[in-house]
Amino acid sequence: AQKITQTQPGMFVQEKEAVTLDCTYDTSDPSYGLFWYKQPSSGEMIFLIYQGSYDQQNATEGRYSLNFQKARKSANLVISASQLGDSAMYFCAMRGIQGAQKLVFGQGTRLTINP
Amino acid sequence: GAVVSQHPSRVICKSGTSVKIECRSLDFQATTMFWYRQFPKKSLMLMATSNEGSKATYEQGVEKDKFLINHASLTLSTLTVTSAHPEDSSFYICSAKPAGANHRAQYFGPGTRLLVL
Repeated sequence: AQKITQTQPGMFVQEKEAVTLDCTYDTSDPSYGLFWYKQPSSGEMIFLIYQGSYDQQNATEGRYSLNFQKARKSANLVISASQLGDSAMYFCAMRGIQGAQKLVFGQGTRLTINP
Repeated sequence: GAVVSQHPSRVICKSGTSVKIECRSLDFQATTMFWYRQFPKKSLMLMATSNEGSKATYEQGVEKDKFLINHASLTLSTLTVTSAHPEDSSFYICSAKPAGANHRAQYFGPGTRLLVL
């Protein structure tokens, strides 16, 4: 079974500061993928970044980077130079090689950027 | 690219009626689509995996006769909530995985808010 844990229900950050959202996971699959999605108040799920378990380098996408520490089973999202528009729910998710590649989501972290 | 639409975006219905929600991949083909349910301030819970041309695979605890899924084409999956009751009120969101082994992400629709009175 796969499990994603996000231990921060809410985070408050000053605009332009960097923020790290925590995510730990548990799986018995030898190969897996880790995802981060952003969900603004409108409800849509926006794909941010992907990290494969065998990728040698940490993934980066613009202001988003993923701090992947395989031995610790963590996949934290780092947002640099935060903006007011970054305020949203953020979900970490995992997909294994089994189970039709379905995503398992964490509980989410509500990020609020203060001006 | 990779746009997924859902219709309707919001629906209010009376208890006992059935509601159909459509999920379309607009610019890609999706052999697999997923249906999720999300309660307020909670995470997404997978309800079922929809496979084009075959029966959907339901997660444990999800009634297949209550939530009918049809995936008749590579760009359309529908979820029908049959004989809806107030406890079915929720945010339903679909996702689609582009056909082809190299695609990593699932792309989500904007969601449908269902309120059953």
